[in-house]
Amino acid sequence: DSGVTQTPKHLITATGQRVTLRCSPRSGDLSVYWYQQSLDQGLQFLIQYYNGEERAKGNILERFSAQQFPDLHSELNLSSLELGDSALYFCASARDWRNTEAFFGQGTRLTVV
Amino acid sequence: GENVEQHPSTLSVQEGDSAVIKCTYSDSASNYFPWYKQELGKRPQLIIDIRSNVGEKKDQRIAVTLNKTAKHFSLHITETQPEDSAVYFCAASPTSYGKLTFGQGTILTVHP
Repeated sequence: DSGVTQTPKHLITATGQRVTLRCSPRSGDLSVYWYQQSLDQGLQFLIQYYNGEERAKGNILERFSAQQFPDLHSELNLSSLELGDSALYFCASARDWRNTEAFFGQGTRLTVV
Repeated sequence: GENVEQHPSTLSVQEGDSAVIKCTYSDSASNYFPWYKQELGKRPQLIIDIRSNVGEKKDQRIAVTLNKTAKHFSLHITETQPEDSAVYFCAASPTSYGKLTFGQGTILTVHP
């Protein structure tokens, strides 16, 4: 167990819908990352938050947004869902915003039908 | 931005043999290079990492080497076991922030 908790584990929803994925980082970790893993794109960095503020942005679509709350948990919001958004979404956390060890949660498997 | 290339995409070895996976990166500012192991349907797990001030690091049967001049780093697994079968990802991270850029992954199969 990495100490990073993601909910839900599985999510099935229809195209056009909106979903929220939740992540609780390890105790003491201030940095949260979101990654998308699909068969054809591999592991892609989406966005990073550090202590409530956005720190870095990757290949995140405009339909997607995220935030980190004062208690340090983070949510990834995916809207106007398309079939191609079906993927595993991982959250990872680290102590600092710099390049330190990142520990991954178990992921949320999103299926858009 | 950073680009990480990983080879081979699949690797099949006999139990007890060694396995080597290689990665190259493009951003000379990168200075942190972790390796993750991912079993089917599970989360990536950090198995070893190296920083740019070190050329080699070992942890039991696993070792990683880094050549900053050539911008490549490699994972070496000795005395492979069937439980080493998984997908292995290399990654690189620049000094300014912790974003990891991953390679495409290597499917390692160790045959008993």
